[in-house]
Amino acid sequence: GAVVSQHPSRVICKSGTSVKIECRSLDFQATTMFWYRQFPKKSLMLMATSNEGSKATYEQGVEKDKFLINHASLTLSTLTVTSAHPEDSSFYICSAKRTSGFNEQFFGPGTRLTVL
Amino acid sequence: AQSVTQPDIHITVSEGASLELRCNYSYGATPYLFWYVQSPGQGLQLLLKYFSGDTLVQGIKGFEAEFKRSQSSFNLRKPSVHWSDAAEYFCAVVRSGGYNKLIFGAGTRLAVHP
Repeated sequence: GAVVSQHPSRVICKSGTSVKIECRSLDFQATTMFWYRQFPKKSLMLMATSNEGSKATYEQGVEKDKFLINHASLTLSTLTVTSAHPEDSSFYICSAKRTSGFNEQFFGPGTRLTVL
Repeated sequence: AQSVTQPDIHITVSEGASLELRCNYSYGATPYLFWYVQSPGQGLQLLLKYFSGDTLVQGIKGFEAEFKRSQSSFNLRKPSVHWSDAAEYFCAVVRSGGYNKLIFGAGTRLAVHP
């Protein structure tokens, strides 16, 4: 149980286009989902926290208009990278946790974004 | 500010040898600490966690970690490494302020020689 999927696993796009990444909790309802960015040989940096039905909370330095997050249901959150540029190329990882209160996060396998 | 430091970027051990991966944290109160493993193509998997109580924590896949408040450390250990343990390992702490936000260390890449 507690499986989180991401789609696509890999995407290549042209500069200036927008890319949508989906994060789904397959066998549980996720009240909260997190989006991380991982640079090569670097750690995971939290970008934003999304709660179902409300606006995402972005970390300092993360452009909310650049990285649009929608948590439309208890099993789906999407991250849209708008007007992508080569510096947005990275590995994006989502995680989800079951209920309110403190709880373990379950991580998706990640999405490799390459912007040409 | 809270932080997590993993001093070793890359470690190589022989199969069957013991392993210790270091993790130091900076946090005022009692931290919630975690170790995750990341294998290619797979999501981060929780190995073990420490919230309170016994400072020696047992995890999955034969891993254990010891919380030492005096040293602000939470080192991960395994008595005998298997080739399948080759992966990236991350130490993390829950950030103060709630919402389960995690702060990760930079990670340690483990290579296992046959």
